[in-house]
Amino acid sequence: GEDVEQSLFLSVREGDSSVINCTYTDSSSTYLYWYKQEPGAGLQLLTYIFSNMDMKQDQRLTVLLNKKDKHLSLRIADTQTGDSAIYFCAEAGGSYIPTFGRGTSLIVHP
Amino acid sequence: DTEVTQTPKHLVMGMTNKKSLKCEQHMGHRAMYWYKQKAKKPPELMFVYSYEKLSINESVPSRFSPECPNSSLLNLHLHALQPEDSALYLCASSQGVAGGPKDSGELFFGEGSRLTVL
Repeated sequence: GEDVEQSLFLSVREGDSSVINCTYTDSSSTYLYWYKQEPGAGLQLLTYIFSNMDMKQDQRLTVLLNKKDKHLSLRIADTQTGDSAIYFCAEAGGSYIPTFGRGTSLIVHP
Repeated sequence: DTEVTQTPKHLVMGMTNKKSLKCEQHMGHRAMYWYKQKAKKPPELMFVYSYEKLSINESVPSRFSPECPNSSLLNLHLHALQPEDSALYLCASSQGVAGGPKDSGELFFGEGSRLTVL
C-alpha cells in the first residue's frame, strides 16, 4: 500500500473552511509537510510541522498532527477561489527527502 | 532569488532523439533533485545530488542520465526514451539533504519541464 494516503477530491464553497486529511505509515517521520501545486506549476511549500508538535497555525492555515494515529490535517479558513489547487501531504525522516501522497484536488465554488 | 528555473518548459521528442533538461538555482543550496510526475500522481523521486555528487538513484533506467556540472546547475540527459516516459519532470533544491531542527527541509521546486515522447 501507499506510504502516504489522501482523499483525491474536496469541493467547498467560497468562504467555508476546507479540511484536507492525510495518513502516513512511517512512525519515524520527523517532518510533515503540506505542499500546494497550481495548474502547470511546480510544488510550493505551504507549511510544515515537526513530529513533536500537535498543532501549528499560520494565518488561515491550521495543521493538526495526531502522531499516535499517524494522521495529519490541513484546515484552510475562509477558503477563496485562489486556493483551488492540488494539495500534497508529505512525510520525511532525518534525510529530508519527502514521500508524497497522491494529492487532494481542492475545488472552490463561488 | 528564491527561484528554481527549468528549461525548456515543454519538450517533444522522438524515441531516437537525444535531448537534455536543465535546472538552475542561485540560492546556495547544496542538494538538488529530479522528480517525475505523471498526471494525477504524486512526484516520484528519481535522483538526488548532494554537494555535486550523486547520492541517490531510485533505480532509474539508464536512458535517463543526470549530471551536476556545478552547485547551481543540474541536467537530465535523455536518450532513447519510451512514450511511457512522457511526464512532467520537476527539479527541486534544498539547503542540505540532512540538517538540524532549525531547518524546515523545504524543497524549492521549479515549474517543471513537460516532456512528450512520440
